[in-house]
Amino acid sequence: LAKTTQPISMDSYEGQEVNITCSHNNIATNDYITWYQQFPSQGPRFIIQGYKTKVTNEVASLFIPADRKSSTLSLPRVSLSDTAVYYCLVGDNTIGYSTLTFGKGTMLLVSP
Amino acid sequence: EPEVTQTPSHQVTQMGQEVILRCVPISNHLYFYWYRQILGQKVEFLVSFYNNEISEKSEIFDDQFSVERPDGSNFTLKIRSTKLEDSAMYFCASSEDNRQEWSYEQYFGPGTRLTVT
Repeated sequence: LAKTTQPISMDSYEGQEVNITCSHNNIATNDYITWYQQFPSQGPRFIIQGYKTKVTNEVASLFIPADRKSSTLSLPRVSLSDTAVYYCLVGDNTIGYSTLTFGKGTMLLVSP
Repeated sequence: EPEVTQTPSHQVTQMGQEVILRCVPISNHLYFYWYRQILGQKVEFLVSFYNNEISEKSEIFDDQFSVERPDGSNFTLKIRSTKLEDSAMYFCASSEDNRQEWSYEQYFGPGTRLTVT
């Protein structure tokens, strides 16, 4: 299982774009990159996943360079409600389900 | 939007007692999971369940833990003889069969806070 490294915390202000980078130097060929969000006292919530290049949905964008050794979650124009812990996960998805291995994540604090 | 539900939201029990945590996964999902999160720590995988049997379990999921899908809707986690260190938030999750679309999307419930005294 590829180990991930991400900043422990980040600060931002409302309306700014936030980029959270995750390192996963040992990522394997079959591994996908997934990001989850967790608010205090709630279960994690899936944000986005990707394999390579760029993926965008209504919530965020995920940028993955060609070597796939890192990835960047981009949150456009954050609001106070985006204050949460963001987790980068890397793993294999060849057997029909995925066991999620969470790290410590990045605590994002958005201020007015 | 369909969601995973869990009951109770908070359970207080004495050390050595048995507890059963209940979950209702999303109805068309095939895979079910339990995770736990000790206060201030990481979310930890406990067990996954498919086709009425355990698919995978972690080292945490020892003989004091068991899971069951007693009917078509509920998914339960039983802790036989609770210890102080079992105090945590327990999350149930479910997912579709993702072999077709390579999805890591699991849907988590709101959690049950277990306090062992």
